Amino acid sequence: EPEVTQTPSHQVTQMGQEVILRCVPISNHLYFYWYRQILGQKVEFLVSFYNNEISEKSEIFDDQFSVERPDGSNFTLKIRSTKLEDSAMYFCASGRLADINSEAFFGQGTRLTVV
Amino acid sequence: LAKTTQPISMDSYEGQEVNITCSHNNIATNDYITWYQQFPSQGPRFIIQGYKTKVTNEVASLFIPADRKSSTLSLPRVSLSDTAVYYCLVGDKAAGNKLTFGGGTRVLVKP
Repeated sequence: EPEVTQTPSHQVTQMGQEVILRCVPISNHLYFYWYRQILGQKVEFLVSFYNNEISEKSEIFDDQFSVERPDGSNFTLKIRSTKLEDSAMYFCASGRLADINSEAFFGQGTRLTVV
Repeated sequence: LAKTTQPISMDSYEGQEVNITCSHNNIATNDYITWYQQFPSQGPRFIIQGYKTKVTNEVASLFIPADRKSSTLSLPRVSLSDTAVYYCLVGDKAAGNKLTFGGGTRVLVKP
């Protein structure tokens, strides 16, 4: 069964450093998403991406965040100048275009710890 | 976006049927009802989706009454591995739409 792959599984970084979280979506999917989940809290939408541009973003997705699909297979989330409150699980998801089921497939997540 | 309300937690025992009801009183005509499952430290996983009446797959059944203001996810004969958080989501299933997760229902299956 095809799956969304995320690397690394765990990233520890110092406050103020930049991190890049990587995702390989399912190959025939055209919609890509990043979500995050702070420990013990809800899964929160960050951003959706389609046709090489952001289609929607939440209030959380401010100027310190950016997304990119550099090579047609990877989908990355960059966090510039990380803060302690950025510590969370970050999930990448992808979905098919015009799929009647609009099911989103999630990766296993990257646990980001900012110290 | 339709707001959903579901129990915070439920306990069950192996082999029992678990029914989780979600209220969505202001569901819109175009909205579908989708359930996701999340194990600890893993991403959410799609379980089932429906618009009205009953939908069944190999994992669960989804019951939606005629007024669509609530829905019930039914997990038959649960096992310990069904211990997870179950999320009810309501929204337009147009491609590309974001998912809005609530607090979910934490189901604990005991031996």
